Amino acid sequence: AQSVTQLGSHVSVSEGALVLLRCNYSSSVPPYLFWYVQYPNQGLQLLLKYTSAATLVKGINGFEAEFKKSETSFHLTKPSAHMSDAAEYFCAVSETGNQFYFGTGTSLTVIP
Amino acid sequence: GAVVSQHPSRVICKSGTSVKIECRSLDFQATTMFWYRQFPKQSLMLMATSNEGSKATYEQGVEKDKFLINHASLTLSTLTVTSAHPEDSSFYICSARGQGASDTQYFGPGTRLTVL
Repeated sequence: AQSVTQLGSHVSVSEGALVLLRCNYSSSVPPYLFWYVQYPNQGLQLLLKYTSAATLVKGINGFEAEFKKSETSFHLTKPSAHMSDAAEYFCAVSETGNQFYFGTGTSLTVIP
Repeated sequence: GAVVSQHPSRVICKSGTSVKIECRSLDFQATTMFWYRQFPKQSLMLMATSNEGSKATYEQGVEKDKFLINHASLTLSTLTVTSAHPEDSSFYICSARGQGASDTQYFGPGTRLTVL
């Protein structure tokens, strides 16, 4: 069975500080892993994805995530937060590329 | 990147009426489309998976007679909420996936349904 756990439903960081959003997954096979961002009243925008190539994945807007099989983690990071990064972030896992299982989301607040 | 559109973006209807939501992949052929429902401040809940030309596969607990899905072409899927009730009010999001196994899902902007 596949599942995703996002630790911390709310994360606050100061502008310019490191952003770290945590995601742990369970999967019986090597999964595909994704991070999406959602702004209010909008759909989801793909930030980055892991598909069994390089373990360190770089995405849009300066975000990156590292796949760590031993820790079953796929944490999202950004070295320096911008005000525009304030949004809801979702981690998702898929074993087949078909059905996606989403975490419960992490709301990121950036403090000026 | 790939673009998925949804129409309408917002709809308000009276209880008992039916509402159709369209999901289109604008620049790629989507062999599979997905419909999600999102409650306020919650994650996305997969409702159904539709493959072009075949019947949709519904997730457990989703009423197939209430949420009718049609995927008539490789670029269009529709979700019809029949006999809508206030509890059907929600944010409905579709996504579309191409043919590759590692292809990601590209999401539409969502449709806010309010049933009075």
